Amino acid sequence: SAVISQKPSRDICQRGTSLTIQCQVDSQVTMMFWYRQQPGQSLTLIATANQGSEATYESGFVIDKFPISRPNLTFSTLTVSNMSPEDSSIYLCSVDWGAEAFFGQGTRLTVV
Amino acid sequence: SQQGEEDPQALSIQEGENATMNCSYKTSINNLQWYRQNSGRGLVHLILIRSNEREKHSGRLRVTLDTSKKSSSLLITASRAADTASYFCATADDKIIFGKGTRLHILP
Repeated sequence: SAVISQKPSRDICQRGTSLTIQCQVDSQVTMMFWYRQQPGQSLTLIATANQGSEATYESGFVIDKFPISRPNLTFSTLTVSNMSPEDSSIYLCSVDWGAEAFFGQGTRLTVV
Repeated sequence: SQQGEEDPQALSIQEGENATMNCSYKTSINNLQWYRQNSGRGLVHLILIRSNEREKHSGRLRVTLDTSKKSSSLLITASRAADTASYFCATADDKIIFGKGTRLHILP
């Protein structure tokens, strides 16, 4: 199994500012995944982050809005840029370990 | 895009009763997984069933898979208050895609 430490657990931010979310994994993993979960909704994949290459973004998500870093095999960051109230969501990082996914505890973001 | 569609969207049952949630998906899969999420926190993996399996058990959980109907069900037997959570099915090919989830509420 994999243990993922995600922080911050929650934040309240002013519109127009940016927030960087960090995920630390206790094992080396090739791919890390970033999801968004809007209130009352399911998880939507934002992007897949591979170490040493640019992240691959899903339809509807762009690098300028959600820049991702993956400096090594145990760490990744997701930045939510130029935030608006519509960005208020839970953001989760995830890794695949075997055939199942392990998740961080999530970052609950509120933009005011 | 979402692959799985769970129903019902919400379910309230008395403690001790069984809870059944269903999931339908659209394309071929390698496996299907069920996850639980408590109070908007991280998801916890419950059980995985492979495309060549029809039924799988884990404690109080029973999962079935019907690939001809592209559907799966999750049965929780003898429900407990701690089972109150949202449950998601997820299908995996090159990435994991989650359904919309079922909110389960166990009444005391």
